[in-house]
Amino acid sequence: KQEVTQIPAALSVPEGENLVLNCSFTDSAIYNLQWFRQDPGKGLTSLLLIQSSQREQTSGRLNASLDKSSGRSTLYIAASQPGDSATYLCAVGSGYALNFGKGTSLLVTP
Amino acid sequence: EADIYQTPRYLVIGTGKKITLECSQTMGHDKMYWYQQDPGMELHLIHYSYGVNSTEKGDLSSESTVSRIRTEHFPLTLESARPSHTSQYLCASSEEGQVSGYTFGSGTRLTVV
Repeated sequence: KQEVTQIPAALSVPEGENLVLNCSFTDSAIYNLQWFRQDPGKGLTSLLLIQSSQREQTSGRLNASLDKSSGRSTLYIAASQPGDSATYLCAVGSGYALNFGKGTSLLVTP
Repeated sequence: EADIYQTPRYLVIGTGKKITLECSQTMGHDKMYWYQQDPGMELHLIHYSYGVNSTEKGDLSSESTVSRIRTEHFPLTLESARPSHTSQYLCASSEEGQVSGYTFGSGTRLTVV
């Protein structure tokens, strides 16, 4: 069974810092990887989708990379803002559905 | 606007009641999913469907049942709610094939008292 681990579990940074969130997975036979944002008590908002054949995807201040052979992905957030405070979830597409990590809870302080 | 809708957003109900959580999508996606999420924990797949009249159980055992009579509609039913069913339930959909991403609804937060 695919296991997805996210490090760190929680992170607090001052506004303006660049930061990296890490995701690792145990089975490299994936078809895609998706990063989501979840605000408290809400659903999930898709941030970036990386196909297994791709190495990275970018959207605005966000950049996600994928190293399938080593089972790792990183989400890079540039020039963080208080509005970025949320939980960030990594989900790996393998088998019949997405497998999720527990998430990284991010707090960006003004 | 293409989207996925879940109702109700919040539900507090007594033990033993039958409940149905609604999920509808307007994107014409063939695949639909139900995930369960306890506070501070990861999402666990409880049901999925590849199309009309197709339903399968997910990785996490659940006493709930689902149906898929129409492409756009994927309701989840609990015949007799218990406090252990208290959780957040998230519905998602995706296109056919393995390359498309998932779109999630806003979730239903269920509390059984």
